[in-house]
This record gives sequence, structure tokens and C-alpha cells, in this order.
Amino acid sequence: EAGVAQSPRYKIIEKRQSVAFWCNPISGHATLYWYQQILGQGPKLLIQFQNNGVVDDSQLPKDRFSAERLKGVDSTLKIQPAKLEDSAVYLCASSYNANSPLHFGNGTRLTVT
Amino acid sequence: AQSVTQLGSHVSVSEGALVLLRCNYSSSVPPYLFWYVQYPNQGLQLLLKYTTGATLVKGINGFEAEFKKSETSFHLTKPSAHMSDAAEYFCAVTNTGNQFYFGTGTSLTVIP
Repeated sequence: EAGVAQSPRYKIIEKRQSVAFWCNPISGHATLYWYQQILGQGPKLLIQFQNNGVVDDSQLPKDRFSAERLKGVDSTLKIQPAKLEDSAVYLCASSYNANSPLHFGNGTRLTVT
Repeated sequence: AQSVTQLGSHVSVSEGALVLLRCNYSSSVPPYLFWYVQYPNQGLQLLLKYTTGATLVKGINGFEAEFKKSETSFHLTKPSAHMSDAAEYFCAVTNTGNQFYFGTGTSLTVIP
């Protein structure tokens, strides 16, 4: 089966600019997650979708981050405006159902200068 | 609330030696536990998982882990390290299906 697809792989922007990341989960996976992984740390959940509804966005900095999964398939994560501390790898993951293992994409490495 | 503690952010072993990566969890209900591996510039890949049943779980690449409820531990082991095992390893816990909590990771170095 095809894995989780993410694009772009790398992105360099200046602070206060905006950026968007795209994720296409594994076909049939209802749950989609966005994680932020800062260098040297474990992944931190930003937002979780079940189909096209938000299950958990308690750790999403909503003043600058937004995410959507309009048709319950692919998803977009946006940052506007970016800050230096947003430099990280943004990982998308999907799972078939509750308690199923997560399948991760290769991530987008964001550098904010 | 759930949490995961990985003891030792860096572990070095000689090629052919035993690999032991430690993970302790905190959970108010029976947990589901996972180990993931991350190679440079890649996403996380599932090594093994414990949900219910047998407490000794075997995964890919010769890794295994044992769920010990009394010790709230889920340590990862491999009898003989290979150079290709050098990577970052993450322990994760979930019990509601809603959130996966990850540890801070352990970087494994294999010395030839």
C-alpha cells in the first residue's frame, strides 16, 4: 500500500512569512494527525482529525496555526505568521481506527530565519 | 493522563552486543504501548506494539519488548546489535485511541 505522502520535504522561510504543508494519508485511514518534532525531542501532537472533524487541537497555537481536512482525506497545515521557534519537522500520520498504529510520512523540515 | 519516560537520551553499544532501551509509562488505565524507530530525514516507523495478550512482543528487525505492568515498563531489547540499528527510538503510549504520547527519544549508536 502507498504510504503517507507529505510535501514539501523542505521549506525555508523568513519570520513573519506564511507557509503551508500538505498531507495525503493512507487510503481508508479515518484518523489523521499533525505532529511537530523539534530537534532532539519527541513528536508533539498539534491536531488530530477523525474523518473531517477535529478530535483534539488543544496544543495547536491557534493564533498562528491552522489546519483543515475538508473532504476527510488529505489535509493542510498552515502557519501564519511564522516565528523562529516554529523551526521543526512537521510530521503527518494516519491510522485506520482507534488504537491502530500510526503510519508516518517522511515529514516537512521547516527552517524559519 | 498518560506520559512516557525514556531513560537515557543516548545509548552506545558495540556491534553484536545486547541492545536495551528503557521506557516507563504512566497511565490510569491499561495502556497500548508502541516502539517506533526514526532514521535520519525520515518519519517514524513502527517496530512493535503491545495491546492485549502476551506480554512479550516481537517486532521487526529482531527487536522485542516486554510489558511489565508491575514496573510500568516496556523496555526494548535486541540480542545482537547491527550497524543498521543506529537510529532514534521512540516509545509511545495511548489508551483512548485519541492521543499518542511520545517519549523524548533515545539515540542508539552502534560501534563497529
